Amino acid sequence: SQKIEQNSEALNIQEGKTATLTCNYTNYSPAYLQWYRQDPGRGPVFLLLIRENEKEKRKERLKVTFDTTLKQSLFHITASQPADSATYLCALVSSGYSTLTFGKGTMLLVSP
Amino acid sequence: DVKVTQSSRYLVKRTGEKVFLECVQDMDHENMFWYRQDPGLGLRLIYFSYDVKMKEKGDIPEGYSVSREKKERFSLILESASTNQTSMYLCASSFPTSGGMTQYFGPGTRLLVL
Repeated sequence: SQKIEQNSEALNIQEGKTATLTCNYTNYSPAYLQWYRQDPGRGPVFLLLIRENEKEKRKERLKVTFDTTLKQSLFHITASQPADSATYLCALVSSGYSTLTFGKGTMLLVSP
Repeated sequence: DVKVTQSSRYLVKRTGEKVFLECVQDMDHENMFWYRQDPGLGLRLIYFSYDVKMKEKGDIPEGYSVSREKKERFSLILESASTNQTSMYLCASSFPTSGGMTQYFGPGTRLLVL
């Protein structure tokens, strides 16, 4: 069956360090992979999209990698700040489908 | 900036009541979605619509219906609310697949059914 797995345990890091979050998937052929940020009690906010033929994408302090052989995406936040504390969701769009499938998210806590 | 608004942030209803949740987007998006989000279960798709008067079932449509009479508005209806429908409800909109299906979410409605 299709599965998207994100680490359910919260990631605790110190301010200034690089946070790395993982998204693994099975039985998907994603055309796109996306990352969203969600703050408590709010809707998710889109951050980055990476296509199946792209290895890496950057936006300011954010970097996403996509390895279709390993069936894995890594999401990095460099020089992390307490304001980066939130839950981060990955989402896949499979070829020929019109909906996103979301992982359950990983909570990131950045302490000063 | 895309704006997706939802009619209520918090709602308390009684078992058996008919509940309407409304969502409006201002970016002329074709696609609109309703999700519910529960602790440990993540975001689950209830219904979506890719055009006016069109609707498709998502993963958990039971107990829900939807209406899309205008492009900008997508309503979720709980015909007879039950306690297991207590949840956070999120609406989203997007352009069609060619845009990568990036979704823009509303602020959510936290529904409590007593």
